[in-house]
Amino acid sequence: DTAVSQTPKYLVTQMGNDKSIKCEQNLGHDTMYWYKQDSKKFLKIMFSYNNKELIINETVPNRFSPKSPDKAHLNLHINSLELGDSAVYFCASSLRDNNYEQYFGPGTRLTVT
Amino acid sequence: AQSVTQPDIHITVSEGASLELRCNYSYGATPYLFWYVQSPGQGLQLLLKYFSGDTLVQGIKGFEAEFKRSQSSFNLRKPSVHWSDAAEYFCAVGAFSGGGADGLTFGKGTHLIIQP
Repeated sequence: DTAVSQTPKYLVTQMGNDKSIKCEQNLGHDTMYWYKQDSKKFLKIMFSYNNKELIINETVPNRFSPKSPDKAHLNLHINSLELGDSAVYFCASSLRDNNYEQYFGPGTRLTVT
Repeated sequence: AQSVTQPDIHITVSEGASLELRCNYSYGATPYLFWYVQSPGQGLQLLLKYFSGDTLVQGIKGFEAEFKRSQSSFNLRKPSVHWSDAAEYFCAVGAFSGGGADGLTFGKGTHLIIQP
């Protein structure tokens, strides 16, 4: 199926650990994003990549490091996890030539204990 | 910077009744506007979008939205809701510079409850 996929769907870990979330899209898009949805369901852009180049890096702690090995993948690595990092993280992708209509992955629910 | 306001945190509608969800945006140029729906425990699904042209846009699942520049609004409507429409609805505005995608700015969402 053509889609934006994320792994894992659920991630429970302890404070201080390092974890990664993976995102892949097979829609042929050239732009990918990470969003964070907090406990109040507020969605905020974290990063965007266009053709593997970092475009947007919002006010996010440098413990968060995105990596885009190719146009179809955008991974999110988080160091030294804190309780406040608990959230749902959404990956999205779009095609620049199609006015950036974004398609979202199913989300990864991260719980830090 | 752009912003989106969804003034209604919760809305309760009887099944079969009409629905209007409000969205106001702030953006200096012509906006790219979107409505997304998030069912419980699910990701976000695009309902409809406005880039230019006809100000009344049709989307999936029987939804439509009207762009009103004079009111900076992009309200979502449906003539008759179904129980399966119960979900969280997000309005979003896009800012896309020539260098790439700046991402979407979302409103805080409206939680739609359907009464039998």
